[in-house]
Amino acid sequence: QKEVEQNSGPLSVPEGAIASLNCTYSDRGSQSFFWYRQYSGKSPELIMFIYSNGDKEDGRFTAQLNKASQYVSLLIRDSQPSDSATYLCAVNTGFQKLVFGTGTRLLVSP
Amino acid sequence: EPEVTQTPSHQVTQMGQEVILRCVPISNHLYFYWYRQILGQKVEFLVSFYNNEISEKSEIFDDQFSVERPDGSNFTLKIRSTKLEDSAMYFCASSRDRGLMNTEAFFGQGTRLTVV
Repeated sequence: QKEVEQNSGPLSVPEGAIASLNCTYSDRGSQSFFWYRQYSGKSPELIMFIYSNGDKEDGRFTAQLNKASQYVSLLIRDSQPSDSATYLCAVNTGFQKLVFGTGTRLLVSP
Repeated sequence: EPEVTQTPSHQVTQMGQEVILRCVPISNHLYFYWYRQILGQKVEFLVSFYNNEISEKSEIFDDQFSVERPDGSNFTLKIRSTKLEDSAMYFCASSRDRGLMNTEAFFGQGTRLTVV
């Protein structure tokens, strides 16, 4: 069973702080890794993806991947109240599907 | 910006009835997917579809489910005889291709299916 694990949270951070969201995965054959944001009752919205070890930055977001540790993270700099949502980690194991974690709920307080 | 569109946004049906959920993927995308999310649970893969064939399906996607691309734009999910446990949000997604660097899947806004 290929699993993706996330802490369900909530993770509470003050406005302007860095939020750090973490994800581990069980399948060493996993090839690409995705972060989605999901507001309550809405669909997953792609934030970014990463497939090489190291960091990938896009605006206020940085994804970090460590394949040896089977660990992927998302940093959100200068967190805003509008960033309050559930963040889903998803893993593509090389087949035509994504395996999702349960998500981490982020709360950014003004 | 191109987007995946789904209809209807909410469907209420009686147990045992057939439902068809509709999706229009992004126009230049070649791979299509259905996922579902039971309230409070994780997003689960149902099926992927390419070149008018199912590429992969999960154990959830049993004989009660089928998918079809009846024309050049629509992609449908049919549930033949709905059960109470089919109540969920169903998401359609599409991606441009299956290459390592281009496997981003973009999701539609979802259809909330309620089986009563």
